[in-house]
Amino acid sequence: EDKVVQSPLSLVVHEGDTVTLNCSYEVTNFRSLLWYKQEKKAPTFLFMLTSSGIEKKSGRLSSILDKKELFSILNITATQTGDSAVYLCAVIDAGGTSYGKLTFGQGTILTVHP
Amino acid sequence: EAQVTQNPRYLITVTGKKLTVTCSQNMNHEYMSWYRQDPGLGLRQIYYSMNVEVTDKGDVPEGYKVSRKEKRNFPLILESPSPNQTSLYFCASSLFGPLNSPLHFGNGTRLTVT
Repeated sequence: EDKVVQSPLSLVVHEGDTVTLNCSYEVTNFRSLLWYKQEKKAPTFLFMLTSSGIEKKSGRLSSILDKKELFSILNITATQTGDSAVYLCAVIDAGGTSYGKLTFGQGTILTVHP
Repeated sequence: EAQVTQNPRYLITVTGKKLTVTCSQNMNHEYMSWYRQDPGLGLRQIYYSMNVEVTDKGDVPEGYKVSRKEKRNFPLILESPSPNQTSLYFCASSLFGPLNSPLHFGNGTRLTVT
């Protein structure tokens, strides 16, 4: 059974701080790892990571994947109150199907205080 | 506008009273899926559908039914809801499944069963 574990489960910081969110996984047929941001509604896509060691970056957010150690991190620098959200990690198992299976972690609740 | 539409957004019901949560997408996606989100457990897949008249169980299918009579619609049916089905539900769709194309989420349905 595929497993995705995120840490910490919750985090409280002040504006301007840098945070690192962790995601470890056990997947039978790993294809990709995804990060989502969820603010009181539908998750919105942030990054898809398929190859080890290649950093994906979008503004103050960046993420990297280590396929040897089976984990990914999501970094947010110079945090703002608008970064407050639940951050979800998910992995795609290619399995024996043509459509794949997505398994989510528990999520990390990030709260950024002014 | 391309979107996944769920209705209702909020629903309070009593144990045993059958209910249906509707989901519709206007992107001609073949793959559709239902998730439930509970604190500390992340999103867990209930059922998914690869195409019209083709559905399969996810990780937590007990107590739920689905149907896919048309490509655009994928309703979630609770024949006899119980309090442990109180949760936040998300419908999602993807062109060919998460292996090949990103998931688009609806805005969620918050269900309370008393």
